[in-house]
Amino acid sequence: GAVVSQHPSRVICKSGTSVKIECRSLDFQATTMFWYRQFPKQSLMLMATSNEGSKATYEQGVEKDKFLINHASLTLSTLTVTSAHPEDSSFYICSARVRDDPQYFGPGTRLTVL
Amino acid sequence: AQKITQTQPGMFVQEKEAVTLDCTYDTSDQSYGLFWYKQPSSGEMIFLIYQGSYDEQNATEGRYSLNFQKARKSANLVISASQLGDSAMYFCAMRAPPHGNQFYFGTGTSLTVIP
Repeated sequence: GAVVSQHPSRVICKSGTSVKIECRSLDFQATTMFWYRQFPKQSLMLMATSNEGSKATYEQGVEKDKFLINHASLTLSTLTVTSAHPEDSSFYICSARVRDDPQYFGPGTRLTVL
Repeated sequence: AQKITQTQPGMFVQEKEAVTLDCTYDTSDQSYGLFWYKQPSSGEMIFLIYQGSYDEQNATEGRYSLNFQKARKSANLVISASQLGDSAMYFCAMRAPPHGNQFYFGTGTSLTVIP
């Protein structure tokens, strides 16, 4: 199956700093990448959808200035949590797909903001 | 409106037995795709199986099969010969329409396999 990597897997940062999370499709070119957020014991919440070379489409209630998404190439998308606060602590998961294929997910990044 | 419902927050199954995880969906689209994902405690979402709305046969992948009943709008996952490693959260998801970007997830079912 298709492999998607995420880096870092865990990050702890101080309140007010920015954190960048990378999502890479390792063995395929992804036409679309997705960013999700998951709270403990809850389902995934779609944050935004990004296509290579174009601006991300954010879901309602997701602050685009807070969660910056850059989709620089067909294999790389980054999510930057700007001026992180404790309430941003969560599990962030990216996924990638090619056309109608299933979404393939990265292993996730656990962000803890102190 | 699109909606995925998983009514079983937690399920237990004896090792080597079969278990069915329920999933119902609601969509006004005629063409859609249904997916099941497994999320172990490590957090990674693992794709298990896919069923297209126009597929006439139920999808199967190894020990996983999808019991697709279109008229009832249900897409239950059947895991045969459960193994201890099957203990995880299981999410049903739908993409509608097929080329759309929106992916709707259910609330998940926590499966525990008992030795």
